[in-house]
Amino acid sequence: AQKITQTQPGMFVQEKEAVTLDCTYDTSDQSYGLFWYKQPSSGEMIFLIYQGSYDEQNATEGRYSLNFQKARKSANLVISASQLGDSAMYFCAMRDAGYSTLTFGKGTMLLVSP
Amino acid sequence: NAGVTQTPKFQVLKTGQSMTLQCAQDMNHEYMSWYRQDPGMGLRLIHYSVGAGITDQGEVPNGYNVSRSTTEDFPLRLLSAAPSQTSVYFCASSYAGADGYTFGSGTRLTVV
Repeated sequence: AQKITQTQPGMFVQEKEAVTLDCTYDTSDQSYGLFWYKQPSSGEMIFLIYQGSYDEQNATEGRYSLNFQKARKSANLVISASQLGDSAMYFCAMRDAGYSTLTFGKGTMLLVSP
Repeated sequence: NAGVTQTPKFQVLKTGQSMTLQCAQDMNHEYMSWYRQDPGMGLRLIHYSVGAGITDQGEVPNGYNVSRSTTEDFPLRLLSAAPSQTSVYFCASSYAGADGYTFGSGTRLTVV
């Protein structure tokens, strides 16, 4: 069975600073994928970034990067130069080996202050 | 291209009532799934389907039924609503081998 652990229920950061949201995972699959989603107060799930287990380089998407440490089974999200609009719930998720479903962590609430 | 469409967006039910949450996608995705989101619990898988006529249970299937008669539609049925089913429900779809999942906008269900 797959498991995602997000140990930070809430994080605070000042505008323009960088912040790291932690995610550790557990799986017996050799092939897997890791995702980060953002959920603003409006409720929709917004895809941020994806990392495949065989990708050798860390994924980056604009201000988002995924710090993938396979041996430690961690997939932390780094947001550079935080903006007020980054205030939201962030979920780490893993797809199953069959690509059909996702397993989610419990989420981290990020608050960005001016 | 509408993506994944969920209806209704909001619903209030009385205990014991039944209802169907609708999910439709127009991307010809084989895989569809239903999740529920509760405070402090993240999203948990209820049921999923890997193609028309094929469904399977997820982590929290009790009290819910699904069927997949077409590629496009994957309705979630609450047989006899209970207050414990008060939650936000998300439908998602993807295609085989995809690295991305498309989510609907969610249905907020309250059972009183």
